Amino acid sequence: DTEVTQTPKHLVMGMTNKKSLKCEQHMGHRAMYWYKQKAKKPPELMFVYSYEKLSINESVPSRFSPECPNSSLLNLHLHALQPEDSALYLCASSQERDFWKTQYFGPGTRLLVL
Amino acid sequence: EDQVTQSPEALRLQEGESSSLNCSYTVSGLRGLFWYRQDPGKGPEFLFTLYSAGEEKEKERLKATLTKKESFLHITAPKPEDSATYLCAVQARELTGGGNKLTFGTGTQLKVEL
Repeated sequence: DTEVTQTPKHLVMGMTNKKSLKCEQHMGHRAMYWYKQKAKKPPELMFVYSYEKLSINESVPSRFSPECPNSSLLNLHLHALQPEDSALYLCASSQERDFWKTQYFGPGTRLLVL
Repeated sequence: EDQVTQSPEALRLQEGESSSLNCSYTVSGLRGLFWYRQDPGKGPEFLFTLYSAGEEKEKERLKATLTKKESFLHITAPKPEDSATYLCAVQARELTGGGNKLTFGTGTQLKVEL
């Protein structure tokens, strides 16, 4: 089973709202990722967690706040977003101990900021 | 800086008309090359990982090959359900804190018509 689940599937929020995106995997993977993907563009890495610790923050604005409560869960807290933050937000995970570390992606959350 | 270039940007085939997609890369120390398929509004679906030049992998109508400078995704006798965007990504280095960073190409949008 290589399933990564994400909720919600769609989200519409105003610029003053606070919302959270959730991601879950039960493959025993110890690395989890958040990506942002705009239309007709490839995914862009935002954050990497390894063993529940933030490993990489790709200079993402502070209005995006990641959280990894345990090895199976990854959240992305959103606050005071801008319309240009509208995109498909993808979660992925990989087996930390595998040298080649194939990343498996979830279905994404389609976010619209009004 | 790692670079991945995919061509063509878009490809239209008739059902049964075989073709190849190209992924050229410039990285220092390739550790893995990944092919994904992505349907509109969905997360990338993992297809193949290639580790070293000369390696080949097959799955149904798809076959991926790797040389020292590029990878090809060959599609034999495609069907309309093969229509999707095909993304190539490379992993060139381990991240200090764990996890891995993929550099994606911009993808090839494939359309297979009856």
